[in-house]
Amino acid sequence: QLQLQESGPGLVTPSETLSLTCTVSGGSISSSNYFWGWIRQTPGKGLEWIGNIYYSGTTYYNPSLKSRVTISVDTSKSQFSLNLSSVTAADTAVYYCARQWNFGASYYFDYWGQGSLVTVSS
Amino acid sequence: SYELTQPPSVSVSPGQTASITCSGDKLGDKYACWYQQKPGQSPVLVIYEDNKRPSGIPERFSGSNSGSTATLTISGTQAMDEADYYCQAWDSSTVVFGGGTKLTVL
Repeated sequence: QLQLQESGPGLVTPSETLSLTCTVSGGSISSSNYFWGWIRQTPGKGLEWIGNIYYSGTTYYNPSLKSRVTISVDTSKSQFSLNLSSVTAADTAVYYCARQWNFGASYYFDYWGQGSLVTVSS
Repeated sequence: SYELTQPPSVSVSPGQTASITCSGDKLGDKYACWYQQKPGQSPVLVIYEDNKRPSGIPERFSGSNSGSTATLTISGTQAMDEADYYCQAWDSSTVVFGGGTKLTVL
């Protein structure tokens, strides 16, 4: 059974960079037709897609966050990571990592991590 | 940018049919999928490619997508189906989520 686990600091100082890592187990991060994504959810609000990465390093980002986001992958460790720079309180959210099926016109997240709450505060 | 619109809330009586809509420009030309999220839990995929159910999802969950509207239908709604539901599509190399619908079973 595929499992994804987010890890990283639960508290980040305003203007600093939020960094999270997702570790994939029970399956290969290098599988064809799968992207690996980050999604966040602010308290009491809906889901917001941050971006995706393929094992080759190809990335797609949410245009509204693109200037502050970097997603990278380390296939040797079965991990992919999120860096979000210049954070403010508005970036306080639960951050999820997830696997996205990507083939033809079909795109959906079939496995999700448990989520990691990140609070931006001084 | 592409937008998906869902009603904020839907109410249904136990055993009845619940329908949750998701509207977007020419959404029927894209694949839609649906996630269920219960409080304190991660989202769970319940419908993909408009009308397909992942393994383990009860048959009472079904979907359709035509024109500008995708619909998630829950037949014989049970108390355990009370949750937030999100639609999602892919447009111009971006993932788009609807704002979510809170389904209340009462």
